[in-house]
Amino acid sequence: DIQMTQSPSSLSASVGDRVTITCRASQSIITYLSWYQQKPGRAPKLLIYAASSLQSGVPSRFSGSGSGTEFTLTISSLQPEDFASYYCQQTYRLLTFGGGTKVEIK
Amino acid sequence: QVQLQESGPGLVKPSETLSLTCTVSGGSVNSGSYYWSWIRQPPGKGLEWIGYIDNSGNTKCIPSLKSRVTISVDTSKNEFSLKVRSVTAADTAIYYCARYFFYDGLDVWGQGTTVTVSS
Repeated sequence: DIQMTQSPSSLSASVGDRVTITCRASQSIITYLSWYQQKPGRAPKLLIYAASSLQSGVPSRFSGSGSGTEFTLTISSLQPEDFASYYCQQTYRLLTFGGGTKVEIK
Repeated sequence: QVQLQESGPGLVKPSETLSLTCTVSGGSVNSGSYYWSWIRQPPGKGLEWIGYIDNSGNTKCIPSLKSRVTISVDTSKNEFSLKVRSVTAADTAIYYCARYFFYDGLDVWGQGTTVTVSS
């Protein structure tokens, strides 16, 4: 099984901050990595697929990078609607989610 | 625009079978490009992928649940289903269905349905 480890598990940030979340895979997944945003009481929403491709309709302040075993999700300027939980997911062999990162207001 | 909607009992007794259906509208489960998935989220915890099925009935499941899970598709009703046998309290969760474009993530999700396992 491929394990996905996200860090940090939570963070506090202010509107306008640059935020980076890291996801590490237990083995190489090339670029088969997706990122999701989940707000309380809502289903997750796909933000990024194939490590760096922005899903249609997602604001350009979201970006993804990485390959192999280390990946990052960056929010260039945090907006009020971005306070949520974020999950990475590998799609290289079956599917596995990371543990999640909760982004809270500072 | 494709939409997914989960349905099924909100309460299941321990040792019984959890059965959920996901109805697809605005598109077809017969699409050869997509796989139809189930994901769950225990209260206050993270997401867990359960498995997926293609329009030919080929399935993949997470190994830890493989012995208790059946995923099926009914192309005539444009829906797919999940059964989890011998449930325990650990199976209490919000269950989501979603569309998976191979390697490219889960791009369409249902709103989720809460299932509680309790006597």
